[in-house]
Amino acid sequence: DGGITQSPKYLFRKEGQNVTLSCEQNLNHDAMYWYRQDPGQGLRLIYYSQIVNDFQKGDIAEGYSVSREKKESFPLTVTSAQKNPTAFYLCASSIWPSSETQYFGPGTRLLVL
Amino acid sequence: AQKITQTQPGMFVQEKEAVTLDCTYDTSDQSYGLFWYKQPSSGEMIFLIYQGSYDEQNATEGRYSLNFQKARKSANLVISASQLGDSAMYFCAMRDPDRGSTLGRLYFGRGTQLTVWP
Repeated sequence: DGGITQSPKYLFRKEGQNVTLSCEQNLNHDAMYWYRQDPGQGLRLIYYSQIVNDFQKGDIAEGYSVSREKKESFPLTVTSAQKNPTAFYLCASSIWPSSETQYFGPGTRLLVL
Repeated sequence: AQKITQTQPGMFVQEKEAVTLDCTYDTSDQSYGLFWYKQPSSGEMIFLIYQGSYDEQNATEGRYSLNFQKARKSANLVISASQLGDSAMYFCAMRDPDRGSTLGRLYFGRGTQLTVWP
């Protein structure tokens, strides 16, 4: 089945540790996105990418990094510089130019120990 | 700056009744897109319906319809014949027009928690 997978479902981070969230899609979509969701809030854009080896910062990129070495994959690293990383992280993808809908993965919940 | 406003933190509806979830938006662009997503307790965002700013007809998808009033900048979601499985958080979102670097990004409202009771 075509879709977006995210792993792990739950992730625990220790102080000063970098952690990486995986996002893979087999929809042959060009564009991929990372969003952060805090309780009672809507989604906020962290990073997005329209083609391989290219990505742009969203509204809250500080403390995060991404890479786009393959069309299917867009991993997000939460660095130790992100002081409040506890949140629900959602990856999405769409056809580009993005006149099409963004489709979302199941999400990763990151908790700080 | 783009902005989406959902003024109803929570809504309650009885099974089989219709319910309207409100959404207003703010943009100076003429070309934009409006979306509604459903987020059940599992967390995944499920696409429900899309309305383009130039679409003259209101979008419909099964039991979902979008009441698009361009002059009022509102894009309310109407769910007919509510079912218990409709209980979830609902988000309204707006997409920028493509301008190369902005990639038609989405802006989300804070959501409305819908509870359907028997």
